[in-house]
Amino acid sequence: GESVGLHLPTLSVQEGDNSIINCAYSNSASDYFIWYKQESGKGPQFIIDIRSNMDKRQGQRVTVLLNKTVKHLSLQIAATQPGDSAVYFCAENNSPASKLTFGTGTRLQVTL
Amino acid sequence: SQTIHQWPATLVQPVGSPLSLECTVEGTSNPNLYWYRQAAGRGLQLLFYSVGIGQISSEVPQNLSASRPQDRQFILSSKKLLLSDSGFYLCAWSNRNEQYFGPGTRLTVT
Repeated sequence: GESVGLHLPTLSVQEGDNSIINCAYSNSASDYFIWYKQESGKGPQFIIDIRSNMDKRQGQRVTVLLNKTVKHLSLQIAATQPGDSAVYFCAENNSPASKLTFGTGTRLQVTL
Repeated sequence: SQTIHQWPATLVQPVGSPLSLECTVEGTSNPNLYWYRQAAGRGLQLLFYSVGIGQISSEVPQNLSASRPQDRQFILSSKKLLLSDSGFYLCAWSNRNEQYFGPGTRLTVT
């Protein structure tokens, strides 16, 4: 399959620890943000989203934090598991037709 | 529930040959549709998007074109492939803000 993440920044985390993946976005007018998970050879998978009128949103084992002041987005994964190993992308929406602008991605490696 | 299909899954084509990649969505109507390309180890580059039948917007000048002949069908084409067209092509759909991606087509131009 496609080799995703060859040149991407890598975060190595031990199984069971918490992971924090960061993303800086570019447009202060962006009003909606998404985190995607992409496993090798597959399409990106929606994880969690957040609107600009919120600063925190929680899902199952994941939390997204939004700091609009510094245009920063983070994804926290609790009790990281081997199945969490993938490339994670943030995306921002600041245009009609729901066009998204994607970040460059971070590769998460979970070690046993 | 909604599903999105892409085919073929992999494709190897010689330089100068034509291309046709297909994407179909089930379980929704009048979706926005998108084509992205992803080079190895890179992020996603939006190529085309469509808000309705026959309505195509191009994001970057390139060797490719897109068409939407039916509400839930999106086609990516080229008349003559270049080596630089190699990559992982992803189709996505949206009804509101979030986008959902298909499994992708890996294209290698030789």
